[in-house]
Amino acid sequence: EIVLTQSPGTLSLSPGERATLSCRASQSVSSTYLAWYQQKPGQAPRLLIYGASSRATGIPDRFSGSGSGTDFSLTISRLEPEDFAVYYCQQYGPAGLTFGGGTEVEIK
Amino acid sequence: EVQLLESGGGLVQPGGSLRLSCAASGFTFSNSAMGWVRQAPGKGLEWVSAISASGGSTYYADSVKGRFSISRDKSKDMLYLQLNSLRADDTAVFFCATFQGASTLEPFAYWGQGTPVTVSS
Repeated sequence: EIVLTQSPGTLSLSPGERATLSCRASQSVSSTYLAWYQQKPGQAPRLLIYGASSRATGIPDRFSGSGSGTDFSLTISRLEPEDFAVYYCQQYGPAGLTFGGGTEVEIK
Repeated sequence: EVQLLESGGGLVQPGGSLRLSCAASGFTFSNSAMGWVRQAPGKGLEWVSAISASGGSTYYADSVKGRFSISRDKSKDMLYLQLNSLRADDTAVFFCATFQGASTLEPFAYWGQGTPVTVSS
Protein backbone atom coordinates (compact mmCIF):
# COMPACT_ATOMS: atom_id res chain seq x y z
CA GLU A 1 0.00 0.00 0.00
CA ILE A 2 1.26 3.46 -0.87
CA VAL A 3 1.20 5.73 2.18
CA LEU A 4 0.68 9.44 1.61
CA THR A 5 1.98 11.85 4.26
CA GLN A 6 0.67 15.40 4.17
CA SER A 7 2.36 18.36 5.80
CA PRO A 8 1.89 20.51 7.66
CA GLY A 9 -1.04 19.19 9.63
CA THR A 10 -2.37 22.72 10.06
CA LEU A 11 -1.51 25.87 8.13
CA SER A 12 -2.50 29.20 9.71
CA LEU A 13 -2.69 31.97 7.15
CA SER A 14 -4.57 35.19 6.42
CA PRO A 15 -6.82 35.89 3.42
CA GLY A 16 -4.73 37.03 0.47
CA GLU A 17 -1.70 34.98 1.50
CA ARG A 18 -0.21 32.10 -0.46
CA ALA A 19 -0.67 28.53 0.78
CA THR A 20 1.61 25.65 -0.12
CA LEU A 21 0.58 22.14 0.94
CA SER A 22 2.80 19.09 0.65
CA CYS A 23 2.02 15.43 -0.06
CA ARG A 24 4.80 12.86 0.12
CA ALA A 25 4.37 9.26 -1.05
CA SER A 26 6.09 6.20 0.44
CA GLN A 27 6.94 5.07 -3.10
CA SER A 28 6.89 6.66 -6.52
CA VAL A 29 3.45 7.61 -7.86
CA SER A 30 2.82 8.41 -11.49
CA SER A 31 1.66 12.00 -11.72
CA THR A 32 -1.25 10.66 -13.77
CA TYR A 33 -2.70 9.22 -10.58
CA LEU A 34 -2.45 12.05 -8.02
CA ALA A 35 -5.44 14.15 -6.98
CA TRP A 36 -6.30 16.84 -4.44
CA TYR A 37 -9.66 17.38 -2.74
CA GLN A 38 -11.12 20.14 -0.57
CA GLN A 39 -13.51 19.39 2.27
CA LYS A 40 -15.43 21.89 4.36
CA PRO A 41 -17.10 21.00 7.68
CA GLY A 42 -20.24 18.94 7.21
CA GLN A 43 -19.73 18.68 3.46
CA ALA A 44 -18.56 16.07 1.01
CA PRO A 45 -15.08 16.38 -0.49
CA ARG A 46 -14.72 18.24 -3.80
CA LEU A 47 -12.23 17.35 -6.50
CA LEU A 48 -9.79 20.20 -7.14
CA ILE A 49 -6.84 18.75 -9.03
CA TYR A 50 -6.25 15.47 -10.88
CA GLY A 51 -3.29 14.15 -12.80
CA ALA A 52 -1.16 16.14 -10.33
CA SER A 53 -1.72 19.44 -12.16
CA SER A 54 -5.05 19.49 -14.04
CA ARG A 55 -7.82 21.57 -12.50
CA ALA A 56 -11.24 19.96 -12.27
CA THR A 57 -14.25 21.62 -13.86
CA GLY A 58 -15.11 24.95 -12.26
CA ILE A 59 -12.02 25.18 -10.05
CA PRO A 60 -10.53 28.70 -9.95
CA ASP A 61 -7.04 29.19 -11.35
CA ARG A 62 -5.69 30.29 -7.96
CA PHE A 63 -5.47 26.54 -7.26
CA SER A 64 -2.53 24.77 -8.85
CA GLY A 65 -0.86 21.41 -8.42
CA SER A 66 2.64 20.23 -9.18
CA GLY A 67 5.14 17.52 -8.45
CA SER A 68 6.32 14.10 -9.51
CA GLY A 69 7.68 10.85 -8.13
CA THR A 70 7.17 10.99 -4.38
CA ASP A 71 6.73 14.73 -3.81
CA PHE A 72 3.62 16.66 -4.78
CA SER A 73 2.21 20.02 -3.77
CA LEU A 74 -0.96 22.05 -3.93
CA THR A 75 -0.64 25.84 -4.07
CA ILE A 76 -3.38 28.38 -3.47
CA SER A 77 -1.97 31.62 -4.82
CA ARG A 78 -4.13 34.06 -2.86
CA LEU A 79 -6.41 32.68 -0.16
CA GLU A 80 -10.06 33.66 -0.39
CA PRO A 81 -12.35 33.35 2.68
CA GLU A 82 -14.02 30.27 1.15
CA ASP A 83 -10.68 28.46 0.81
CA PHE A 84 -10.28 27.79 4.52
CA ALA A 85 -10.91 24.06 4.70
CA VAL A 86 -9.19 20.68 4.91
CA TYR A 87 -7.28 19.43 1.87
CA TYR A 88 -6.53 15.80 1.05
CA CYS A 89 -4.23 14.29 -1.52
CA GLN A 90 -5.08 10.92 -3.03
CA GLN A 91 -3.33 8.44 -5.28
CA TYR A 92 -5.47 6.22 -7.50
CA GLY A 93 -2.92 4.12 -9.32
CA PRO A 94 -2.88 0.38 -10.04
CA ALA A 95 -1.57 -0.39 -6.55
CA GLY A 96 -4.85 0.74 -5.00
CA LEU A 97 -6.43 3.92 -3.70
CA THR A 98 -5.13 5.79 -0.68
CA PHE A 99 -5.65 9.22 0.85
CA GLY A 100 -3.28 11.40 2.82
CA GLY A 101 -4.16 12.41 6.35
CA GLY A 102 -5.15 15.94 5.36
CA THR A 103 -3.94 19.50 5.90
CA GLU A 104 -6.23 22.03 7.54
CA VAL A 105 -5.89 25.57 6.26
CA GLU A 106 -7.19 27.82 9.03
CA ILE A 107 -7.63 31.55 9.36
CA LYS A 108 -4.81 33.18 11.28
CA GLU B 1 -26.62 17.98 -12.51
CA VAL B 2 -24.92 14.96 -10.98
CA GLN B 3 -26.64 13.76 -7.83
CA LEU B 4 -25.67 10.93 -5.51
CA LEU B 5 -28.02 10.23 -2.63
CA GLU B 6 -26.97 7.73 0.01
CA SER B 7 -29.31 5.97 2.42
CA GLY B 8 -29.39 3.00 4.74
CA GLY B 9 -27.09 4.17 7.49
CA GLY B 10 -27.96 3.95 11.16
CA LEU B 11 -27.15 2.46 14.53
CA VAL B 12 -26.20 -1.23 14.58
CA GLN B 13 -24.75 -3.54 17.19
CA PRO B 14 -21.28 -5.04 16.85
CA GLY B 15 -21.46 -8.10 14.62
CA GLY B 16 -24.53 -6.78 12.85
CA SER B 17 -25.21 -5.92 9.23
CA LEU B 18 -26.39 -2.96 7.15
CA ARG B 19 -27.00 -2.36 3.48
CA LEU B 20 -26.13 1.09 2.17
CA SER B 21 -27.69 2.38 -1.04
CA CYS B 22 -26.72 5.19 -3.37
CA ALA B 23 -29.17 6.55 -5.94
CA ALA B 24 -27.39 8.11 -8.91
CA SER B 25 -28.76 10.63 -11.39
CA GLY B 26 -27.60 13.32 -13.80
CA PHE B 27 -24.99 11.21 -15.58
CA THR B 28 -24.71 7.92 -17.47
CA PHE B 29 -24.42 5.53 -14.54
CA SER B 30 -23.51 2.53 -16.69
CA ASN B 31 -20.43 4.37 -18.01
CA SER B 32 -18.95 5.23 -14.62
CA ALA B 33 -16.96 3.24 -12.12
CA MET B 34 -18.27 3.84 -8.61
CA GLY B 35 -16.88 3.68 -5.11
CA TRP B 36 -17.40 4.11 -1.38
CA VAL B 37 -15.23 6.22 0.91
CA ARG B 38 -15.68 6.54 4.66
CA GLN B 39 -14.72 9.09 7.26
CA ALA B 40 -14.60 8.24 10.95
CA PRO B 41 -15.63 11.04 13.34
CA GLY B 42 -12.97 13.76 13.32
CA LYS B 43 -10.70 11.72 11.04
CA GLY B 44 -9.58 11.71 7.43
CA LEU B 45 -10.87 9.95 4.35
CA GLU B 46 -10.49 6.19 3.85
CA TRP B 47 -11.27 4.44 0.58
CA VAL B 48 -13.46 1.39 1.23
CA SER B 49 -14.51 -0.25 -2.04
CA ALA B 50 -14.89 0.26 -5.78
CA ILE B 51 -16.65 -1.37 -8.70
CA SER B 52 -15.97 -1.05 -12.41
CA ALA B 53 -18.51 0.44 -14.81
CA SER B 54 -19.47 -3.01 -16.03
CA GLY B 55 -19.72 -4.39 -12.51
CA GLY B 56 -17.36 -7.17 -13.46
CA SER B 57 -14.53 -6.05 -11.22
CA THR B 58 -14.70 -5.20 -7.54
CA TYR B 59 -12.03 -3.94 -5.18
CA TYR B 60 -11.79 -3.65 -1.40
CA ALA B 61 -9.56 -2.08 1.21
CA ASP B 62 -7.81 -4.69 3.36
CA SER B 63 -9.70 -3.38 6.42
CA VAL B 64 -13.07 -4.49 4.99
CA LYS B 65 -12.17 -7.39 2.71
CA GLY B 66 -14.35 -10.41 3.43
CA ARG B 67 -16.85 -8.34 5.41
CA PHE B 68 -18.17 -5.76 2.92
CA SER B 69 -19.58 -6.37 -0.56
CA ILE B 70 -20.16 -3.79 -3.30
CA SER B 71 -22.67 -4.18 -6.11
CA ARG B 72 -24.58 -2.12 -8.65
CA ASP B 73 -27.93 -2.32 -10.44
CA LYS B 74 -27.74 -0.64 -13.83
CA SER B 75 -31.48 -0.94 -14.38
CA LYS B 76 -32.09 1.26 -11.33
CA ASP B 77 -28.94 3.44 -11.38
CA MET B 78 -28.21 2.22 -7.87
CA LEU B 79 -24.99 1.40 -6.02
CA TYR B 80 -24.95 -0.73 -2.90
CA LEU B 81 -22.59 -1.64 -0.09
CA GLN B 82 -23.42 -4.62 2.11
CA LEU B 83 -21.74 -4.29 5.49
CA ASN B 84 -21.41 -7.49 7.56
CA SER B 85 -19.64 -8.38 10.80
CA LEU B 86 -19.57 -4.73 11.76
CA ARG B 87 -17.09 -3.51 14.38
CA ALA B 88 -16.88 -0.35 16.45
CA ASP B 89 -14.06 0.94 14.24
CA ASP B 90 -16.40 0.83 11.23
CA THR B 91 -18.26 3.81 12.72
CA ALA B 92 -18.07 6.51 10.07
CA VAL B 93 -19.90 8.57 7.49
CA PHE B 94 -19.97 6.58 4.26
CA PHE B 95 -19.78 8.54 1.02
CA CYS B 96 -20.79 7.26 -2.39
CA ALA B 97 -18.66 8.66 -5.21
CA THR B 98 -18.34 8.36 -8.95
CA PHE B 99 -15.00 7.98 -10.67
CA GLN B 100 -14.26 10.39 -13.47
CA GLY B 101 -14.68 7.63 -16.05
CA ALA B 102 -15.27 3.94 -16.58
CA SER B 103 -12.03 2.93 -14.88
CA THR B 104 -11.05 2.99 -11.22
CA LEU B 105 -7.73 4.53 -12.36
CA GLU B 106 -9.43 7.90 -12.14
CA PRO B 107 -10.12 10.43 -9.38
CA PHE B 108 -13.48 10.67 -7.64
CA ALA B 109 -15.31 13.31 -9.65
CA TYR B 110 -18.54 13.64 -7.66
CA TRP B 111 -19.57 12.74 -4.14
CA GLY B 112 -22.81 12.27 -2.23
CA GLN B 113 -23.44 13.90 1.11
CA GLY B 114 -22.87 10.68 3.02
CA THR B 115 -24.83 8.39 5.33
CA PRO B 116 -23.70 7.82 8.94
CA VAL B 117 -23.07 4.36 10.32
CA THR B 118 -22.68 3.90 14.08
CA VAL B 119 -21.61 0.54 15.46
CA SER B 120 -22.31 0.38 19.18
CA SER B 121 -24.00 -1.80 21.76
